[in-house]
Amino acid sequence: EPEVTQTPSHQVTQMGQEVILRCVPISNHLYFYWYRQILGQKVEFLVSFYNNEISEKSEIFDDQFSVERPDGSNFTLKIRSTKLEDSAMYFCASSGLAAIYEQYFGPGTRLTVT
Amino acid sequence: QKEVEQNSGPLSVPEGAIASLNCTYSDRGSQSFFWYRQYSGKSPELIMSIYSNGDKEDGRFTAQLNKASQYVSLLIRDSQPSDSATYLCAVKRDYGQNFVFGPGTRLSVLP
Repeated sequence: EPEVTQTPSHQVTQMGQEVILRCVPISNHLYFYWYRQILGQKVEFLVSFYNNEISEKSEIFDDQFSVERPDGSNFTLKIRSTKLEDSAMYFCASSGLAAIYEQYFGPGTRLTVT
Repeated sequence: QKEVEQNSGPLSVPEGAIASLNCTYSDRGSQSFFWYRQYSGKSPELIMSIYSNGDKEDGRFTAQLNKASQYVSLLIRDSQPSDSATYLCAVKRDYGQNFVFGPGTRLSVLP
């Protein structure tokens, strides 16, 4: 069964450094999303992406964040200058035309900022 | 007012019983509702979607929606220890495609 994949599974970085989190959505899906979940808290929407552009973003997704689809398979989230409070699980999700609202999540990347 | 509310639990039920999980939402314009299961340290896994008032059944799972009361529920029949997880209610706003997640209800199925 097709699934969303994410790399790395765990990323440790120092405050102020740039990180790039990578996702490979399900192959025939066209809508892509990033969510984050701080430990013990609820899942929060960051950004959605369709047709090579951002379709929505939350207040969390400030100028430090960017997304890109550099090729036909990868979808990336970049955090330019990480802060301690960026430590969280970051989930990529995707959905397809057949059921555009049914989002399937990847396994997540645990980001630890020290 | 919180957008999506759930009892945090834990909800404990004996193996074989029916587990009932509830969710309320504040945006009356919401049209699409989802239940996800999240095991500790893992990602959310889609269980059910429901878009119309009434019941929707899929195997041991039944989702119920009452838009007038702004209420969604998930029933798990014949609960198994492997159902022990946190169940997340997600609501799509009436605009856009992003979800608002509730805080989740932790379910514990006791053997």
